[in-house]
Amino acid sequence: DAKTTQPPSMDCAEGRAANLPCNHSTISGNEYVYWYRQIHSQGPQYIIHGLKNNETNEMASLIITEDRKSSTLILPHATLRDTAVYYCIALAGSYQLTFGKGTKLSVIP
Amino acid sequence: GAVVSQHPSRVICKSGTSVKIECRSLDFQATTMFWYRQFPKQSLMLMATSNEGSKATYEQGVEKDKFLINHASLTLSTLTVTSAHPEDSSFYICSATVGQASYEQYFGPGTRLTVT
Repeated sequence: DAKTTQPPSMDCAEGRAANLPCNHSTISGNEYVYWYRQIHSQGPQYIIHGLKNNETNEMASLIITEDRKSSTLILPHATLRDTAVYYCIALAGSYQLTFGKGTKLSVIP
Repeated sequence: GAVVSQHPSRVICKSGTSVKIECRSLDFQATTMFWYRQFPKQSLMLMATSNEGSKATYEQGVEKDKFLINHASLTLSTLTVTSAHPEDSSFYICSATVGQASYEQYFGPGTRLTVT
């Protein structure tokens, strides 16, 4: 599975959109981009995934660049409860998730 | 839907004793379950992959005789930490796959194990 790179931390004002970037420049054609988040002392939570089209669900939007070398997770109206570590994972043909260090998002009142 | 529970949420045990952690998929059948552990301020590390009715596959460096995994049904997997030591103190998290259509995993809330 391709390696992903994320900034270690980000701040976002409450009510504003949180845009979390992820670099996956070595991603192969059959690898999906998955996003999970982990709130402190809880199990990770699935957010969204995509292959090449942009995706949206009730939690977030996922924007994948045309060359698929990077993506952005968008939380449209961040709340304090969105404070968590966000993990971007490239995955194909396997259920084995490899968690990197992720981005620690702090939503500030 | 897709709820995974773990029991207990927190356990303290003495060194040398064994501890069993249960992972249940409450509203779906999980063919595959996974066990992770997470040390403080670190990311999750996969310990083993468990398929119902067959032996678990352990990651390199994880002792299968120390971390016993049983996946007896499509809704229950157990992890037993045998002869626990203080260095086994960690946050243990299980996950389960919903189906074959994608690789989404749904995680339990985790079990905090402290070995004294």
